[in-house]
Amino acid sequence: QKEVEQDPGPLSVPEGAIVSLNCTYSNSAFQYFMWYRQYSRKGPELLMYTYSSGNKEDGRFTAQVDKSSKYISLFIRDSQPSDSATYLCAMKWNNDMRFGAGTRLTVKP
Amino acid sequence: KAGVTQTPRYLIKTRGQQVTLSCSPISGHRSVSWYQQTPGQGLQFLFEYFSETQRNKGNFPGRFSGRQFSNSRSEMNVSTLELGDSALYLCASSPRTGTNEKLFFGSGTQLSVL
Repeated sequence: QKEVEQDPGPLSVPEGAIVSLNCTYSNSAFQYFMWYRQYSRKGPELLMYTYSSGNKEDGRFTAQVDKSSKYISLFIRDSQPSDSATYLCAMKWNNDMRFGAGTRLTVKP
Repeated sequence: KAGVTQTPRYLIKTRGQQVTLSCSPISGHRSVSWYQQTPGQGLQFLFEYFSETQRNKGNFPGRFSGRQFSNSRSEMNVSTLELGDSALYLCASSPRTGTNEKLFFGSGTQLSVL
């Protein structure tokens, strides 16, 4: 079993839809939870960063962390074609960072 | 502020050769991390350098090595290339070690080993 599991998709939604991206993990020591967005032929860029459990909102993006279930989510409201990218979850304990495999999202106009 | 710069963008090598990749971090960032990204394994941590010292190392063979210079620029070297080394190699910088939850990535070097 991988330490971080993420459905690779691909996921295709119409413009304006609400998108839900998820990761599960096995190491309860993880304390920091991140979501990165990676466009084709580019490096990942940090979207959201949360510490421990709870919700964090930034514009159209909401990150949720449920440490009791070892489950994190990223919600994208009013999705746009420019949101089409691969989304990677990441989590960290001390200096140890683990990434999910990434979910490829396409938002169709 | 300029972002993380990686050179070259593309490389084609043959088995047994060696390769050196270069990374210039964001100005003021002193920590540089290297990652390997493949479709099957995703992003895997190679190593982190801070103040010219390796602070952390992933689970890769000794063929993979790196170094950091006094201006924080970093290089990674892969010797005796194997077909399985074909991947996107990403460099990421952060202001200091221990803050690698907020990484700033370059666009990567796409290495193909034939």
